[in-house]
Amino acid sequence: AQSVTQLDSQVPVFEEAPVELRCNYSSSVSVYLFWYVQYPNQGLQLLLKYLSGSTLVESINGFEAEFNKSQTSFHLRKPSVHISDTAEYFCAVSEGVRGSTLGRLYFGRGTQLTVWP
Amino acid sequence: KAGVTQTPRYLIKTRGQQVTLSCSPISGHRSVSWYQQTPGQGLQFLFEYFSETQRNKGNFPGRFSGRQFSNSRSEMNVSTLELGDSALYLCASSPRDRGTEAFFGQGTRLTVV
Repeated sequence: AQSVTQLDSQVPVFEEAPVELRCNYSSSVSVYLFWYVQYPNQGLQLLLKYLSGSTLVESINGFEAEFNKSQTSFHLRKPSVHISDTAEYFCAVSEGVRGSTLGRLYFGRGTQLTVWP
Repeated sequence: KAGVTQTPRYLIKTRGQQVTLSCSPISGHRSVSWYQQTPGQGLQFLFEYFSETQRNKGNFPGRFSGRQFSNSRSEMNVSTLELGDSALYLCASSPRDRGTEAFFGQGTRLTVV
């Protein structure tokens, strides 16, 4: 079973500042990595994913994450945040078997990003 | 294409009662998973269904059960409700067998009083 650690439960930051949300997972076997975002009283929305190929993945709204196999990390970054980025962010891992996932996601405890004006 | 639909959105039940939550996956998706989200435990996996078969189950007591119908719609049932079952229950669907991406519904907020 995987263990996912999000090192910061809360990250306050001013608008237009850069931000990094950290995520580490427990095993370096074949894994698929995801970042989800959750707004109040909503479900989870996929922000970005790493399945294979380039270790740097980007989302359409300026976030990026880099898969680092040796450090078993998948940190999320954004060079300049907006107030609308205020939300809770979850890192998730699923284990690949013969190129497919097991269908189960292991989640971190979440990081509340609060952007102040 | 419609997203994952969960009904109802909010529910209040009394201890000892039972409850059934419903999830309609995205059209064409055959895999459905359920998660419980609480402030204390975070997001925890309940179970996963594919083609009406439970393929994976998390560490929850037998009071928690589920099923999937031939049209891929899924229900989960919790019997003999306890206060600690108060949570946001999230359903996710995947596009194919052991899909590589899960799409989540907005959840059902269950409050047990």
